[in-house]
Amino acid sequence: DIVLTQSPDFLSVSPKERVTMTCRASQDIGTLVHWYQQKPSQSPKLLIMYASQSFSGVPSRFSGSGSGTEFTLTISGLEPEDAATYFCHQSGTTPWTFGQGTKVEIK
Amino acid sequence: EVQLVQSGAEVRKPGESLKISCKASGYNFLDYWIAWVRQVPGKGLEWMGIIYPGNSNTRYNPSFQGRVTITVDTSLATAYLQWAGLRASDTAKYYCGYKEAIEVWGQGTMVTVS
Repeated sequence: DIVLTQSPDFLSVSPKERVTMTCRASQDIGTLVHWYQQKPSQSPKLLIMYASQSFSGVPSRFSGSGSGTEFTLTISGLEPEDAATYFCHQSGTTPWTFGQGTKVEIK
Repeated sequence: EVQLVQSGAEVRKPGESLKISCKASGYNFLDYWIAWVRQVPGKGLEWMGIIYPGNSNTRYNPSFQGRVTITVDTSLATAYLQWAGLRASDTAKYYCGYKEAIEVWGQGTMVTVS
């Protein structure tokens, strides 16, 4: 199975700051990585698909980059409503897998 | 608008069977993968398996294979996840999702086995 390792596990960031989190894959998965945001008691929501494509309706402050084994999700200018856990997901090989999540707290 | 509406919360005893559902609307049900994802309360997301309604091609996570069955009823545009013998460790919220990059998620079905 492809293991996705997210770092860091937790971030405490002030509003308007830039946030960067990483997802590392145990094998090359090209750009078959997607990012989701999940708030407590809610279903996950797709932010970025295929490493860098923004999903419809997602604020432009969210962006993704990377290929191969290293991927990054950036929030350029954190808003209070961005407090959530962020997961990466690979669909390159079954079983698809998820990273363990990065929890973002607003200071 | 694409929607996935899941069946309601369930409480079962260990050893009992269960089938939960995910009804799709707003798109051609036959054309896109439906995935099932487990989330134990307070924990991360685990991919259980996927099914392609167009031909019922199904792939399972080996961690769940043999314990769950994923099916579809194309006449009802509905996907199902079922267990033949539940365990306490199956207590979790189960989500269905649409497409490879999961663009739309169901609201989740909480299953409690106790």
